[in-house]
Amino acid sequence: EPEVTQTPSHQVTQMGQEVILRCVPISNHLYFYWYRQILGQKVEFLVSFYNNEISEKSEIFDDQFSVERPDGSNFTLKIRSTKLEDSAMYFCASSPRESYNEQFFGPGTRLTVL
Amino acid sequence: AQTVTQSQPEMSVQEAETVTLSCTYDTSESDYYLFWYKQPPSRQMILVIRQEAYKQQNATENRFSVNFQKAAKSFSLKISDSQLGDAAMYFCAYRSAFTGANSKLTFGKGITLSVRP
Repeated sequence: EPEVTQTPSHQVTQMGQEVILRCVPISNHLYFYWYRQILGQKVEFLVSFYNNEISEKSEIFDDQFSVERPDGSNFTLKIRSTKLEDSAMYFCASSPRESYNEQFFGPGTRLTVL
Repeated sequence: AQTVTQSQPEMSVQEAETVTLSCTYDTSESDYYLFWYKQPPSRQMILVIRQEAYKQQNATENRFSVNFQKAAKSFSLKISDSQLGDAAMYFCAYRSAFTGANSKLTFGKGITLSVRP
């Protein structure tokens, strides 16, 4: 069964460094998302992406964040200058064309900012 | 803006018994989707069940069923014959139908379910 994959599973970085989190959505899906979950808290929406552009972004998704689909398979989230409060689990999700369908989540990348 | 509330932070159930997890939401929209996601210790988010707001009939998936009360904006999850593998964090989530497939999920804070052998 096709699944969303994410790499790395765990990323440790120093405050102020840039990180790129990678996701490979399910191949025939058209809509892509990033969510984050700070430890012990709820899952929060960051950004949605369709047709090579951002569809919606939350207030969390400030100028330090960017997303890209550099080729036909990868979907990346870049944090330009990480802060301590960026430490969280980051989930990528994808969804097919039909609006009623679920979003399929990847296993997440745990980001630790020291 | 839509909000999802899960007021119980933790629940416990005896193996083979039935447990109900509560969720309420607030929206001004008439058409939307509601979901329950399971997050085991591995942290992977797994869809448990989905309900479409325009459908009167409550969704069921094997041992999982929902009690969807649209007027009360309530969406509870019932787990029958609980198994040890059901132990996880459960999130209730809302998704608008009006913005189409691109619509974000809004999650509640989650509830930690433990299953006693």
